[in-house]
Amino acid sequence: KAGVTQTPRYLIKTRGQQVTLSCSPISGHRSVSWYQQTPGQGLQFLFEYFSETQRNKGNFPGRFSGRQFSNSRSEMNVSTLELGDSALYLCASSLSVVGYTDTQYFGPGTRLTVL
Amino acid sequence: TQLLEQSPQFLSIQEGENLTVYCNSSSVFSSLQWYRQEPGEGPVLLVTVVTGGEVKKLKRLTFQFGDARKDSSLHITAAQPGDTGLYLCAGARNNDMRFGAGTRLTVKP
Repeated sequence: KAGVTQTPRYLIKTRGQQVTLSCSPISGHRSVSWYQQTPGQGLQFLFEYFSETQRNKGNFPGRFSGRQFSNSRSEMNVSTLELGDSALYLCASSLSVVGYTDTQYFGPGTRLTVL
Repeated sequence: TQLLEQSPQFLSIQEGENLTVYCNSSSVFSSLQWYRQEPGEGPVLLVTVVTGGEVKKLKRLTFQFGDARKDSSLHITAAQPGDTGLYLCAGARNNDMRFGAGTRLTVKP
């Protein structure tokens, strides 16, 4: 079974631009979560989608948004990029969302650098 | 301030040594997970603990969930260079999952 895939793997943008990252979950998984990982803050939860609906949202500004398609693939968008948005963005998929006892499988991440 | 505090932040040891890393919080979690992350990859789940006081073993790794379900520890016996990586704990509560900042372990041959 193929794992979680994320595209692109690396991205360089300049301040003020916007960016869209893509995540394809494991086949059959309906929950997709997004995380931002930085050396200073660690892994920070962005949001989670389940069956095309946002189920949970972390404490990030509205510049960060996402969506999920009917095939469970998900995208996240960051508008008006800031230097502090430079990070590794990780996507994780799981079968369901209830109770978080299901295993989350992470993709390799997209490394975003904002200049 | 992190909801989950992991200590130490960095740990560098020789092959064959034992070590323990900690994950502490003032909050109660319904479950707690440990992940290992290697450079260029996403975190990989090692274990999930659910019951207070629970102990799980995975080869040379021993995981313990605190009685009050607020903290956890990971003990590695006879560490090997392949154990090198970032160890993350993550606590689940109210359909929310929060990660600690991690312990970066280096095992030197």
